Amino acid sequence: AQKITQTQPGMFVQEKEAVTLDCTYDTSDPSYGLFWYKQPSSGEMIFLIYQGSYDQQNATEGRYSLNFQKARKSANLVISASQLGDSAMYFCAMREGRGYNQGGKLIFGQGTELSVKP
Amino acid sequence: DADVTQTPRNRITKTGKRIMLECSQTKGHDRMYWYRQDPGLGLRLIYYSFDVKDINKGEISDGYSVSRQAQAKFSLSLESAIPNQTALYFCATSEPTWGGEKLFFGSGTQLSVL
Repeated sequence: AQKITQTQPGMFVQEKEAVTLDCTYDTSDPSYGLFWYKQPSSGEMIFLIYQGSYDQQNATEGRYSLNFQKARKSANLVISASQLGDSAMYFCAMREGRGYNQGGKLIFGQGTELSVKP
Repeated sequence: DADVTQTPRNRITKTGKRIMLECSQTKGHDRMYWYRQDPGLGLRLIYYSFDVKDINKGEISDGYSVSRQAQAKFSLSLESAIPNQTALYFCATSEPTWGGEKLFFGSGTQLSVL
């Protein structure tokens, strides 16, 4: 079974509008972490945001926020005020277990390609 | 200079050839990883190393081997390359934390096996 599911292969958004990229996860471990990475056409992987399973508040990093709904096992990425430079592939990823023990052993979703229209 | 450097950036090889992908880092991190990216499948972990004397298999280690020559160097080898190993390969590093351990990725190596 898929541990990380991103159901939107591609998304379009108008510049300056907000967009939500969906991510659902599956784990029985009470301790886990959720990550979002951005991959522009140049290929590099850029860290965007992190949410720990015990974090009480939704994570935010500038224009990025993570809508964490633990009971639904979802960790959607919200990008506010989209910019043309946001056009890229976006990956949701999960670390099962505590960070100190599991480190960067991440399970990635299939990705969502976001296109921002002027 | 990039913190995590992968060489080569692109490589075309033939079935059955031995090939090595190299990774070096200047971040001073103990933890290093090799991931593989296939279209539609996201990234999958091949091998990881939490320090120089530590080597562990990831999700898809068959057909691959690694060597941790030093804290800064972690190389991935394909002993006998096959076409379904055509993929984009990423090296990454991280440092231990109790919370969100962020991965720092190299620019990737595009490998094509003919």
